[in-house]
Amino acid sequence: GQNIDQPTEMTATEGAIVQINCTYQTSGFNGLFWYQQHAGEAPTFLSYNVLDGLEEKGRFSSFLSRSKGYSYLLLKELQMKDSASYLCASYKLSFGAGTTVTVRA
Amino acid sequence: DTAVSQTPKYLVTQMGNDKSIKCEQNLGHDTMYWYKQDSKKFLKIMFSYNNKELIINETVPNRFSPKSPDKAHLNLHINSLELGDSAVYFCASSHRENTEAFFGQGTRLTVV
Repeated sequence: GQNIDQPTEMTATEGAIVQINCTYQTSGFNGLFWYQQHAGEAPTFLSYNVLDGLEEKGRFSSFLSRSKGYSYLLLKELQMKDSASYLCASYKLSFGAGTTVTVRA
Repeated sequence: DTAVSQTPKYLVTQMGNDKSIKCEQNLGHDTMYWYKQDSKKFLKIMFSYNNKELIINETVPNRFSPKSPDKAHLNLHINSLELGDSAVYFCASSHRENTEAFFGQGTRLTVV
C-alpha cells in the first residue's frame, strides 16, 4: 500500500528558494517522482530519484533518502510561472495530495 | 501528434446516465493509467494496465469499468453516473511500470 505525505500549501517570494518535503511509506519501492501541475492543466514530469542523493536539473533539484522514506523538491530562483501544485509520487505512480506553491512578487 | 489524447475534454451529463471516456497514446508505451482528480486536487489512481492486462484496481465502484482493446488504448466506461463522480479524469501512459508518466489533457466530467 501507499502513504504519501506532503504539505498542503507554501508561499514564497519571487527569486527565493522553496523546499517541498515528501515522506512516504510504501510496500514496494522503485523510485520517487515529482510532477508539476499548473491550474487547469495536466501534471508534467519534473524528476525521478531511485538512488539516495541529490539530482539537479536547472533551477529544480530533488533529493531522496530511502532509509528515511523522505524526499524533497528544491525550487531555486523562483519565478511567477512556478506557481503550481507539486506532486510527489511513489510505487506504481500513486500520488500524494500535492503542495500548492504560490509565488509572490 | 499529441502523445496522450483523451476525449472528450468536457462532459456534462445527467445522473443515471452511462458515459465513456476514450484514451489513446502513440508513444508505444506498455502501461496506461486512469486517475481521478477531485475538487480538492487530490490525484487518485483508479486503474493501471500493463500490456492490456489489469495490474492496479484501486477501491473504485464497479460502475467504473476500464477496457483496453489494445496496448495503445485504455477507455473508461462509467455506468449509472452519480453527482460524486464529478471530477477531472486523467489518462496517462508510461514506458513500463514505475517510469515517467505522460498525461492526457484531462476530461472534466460534470454530473447534474
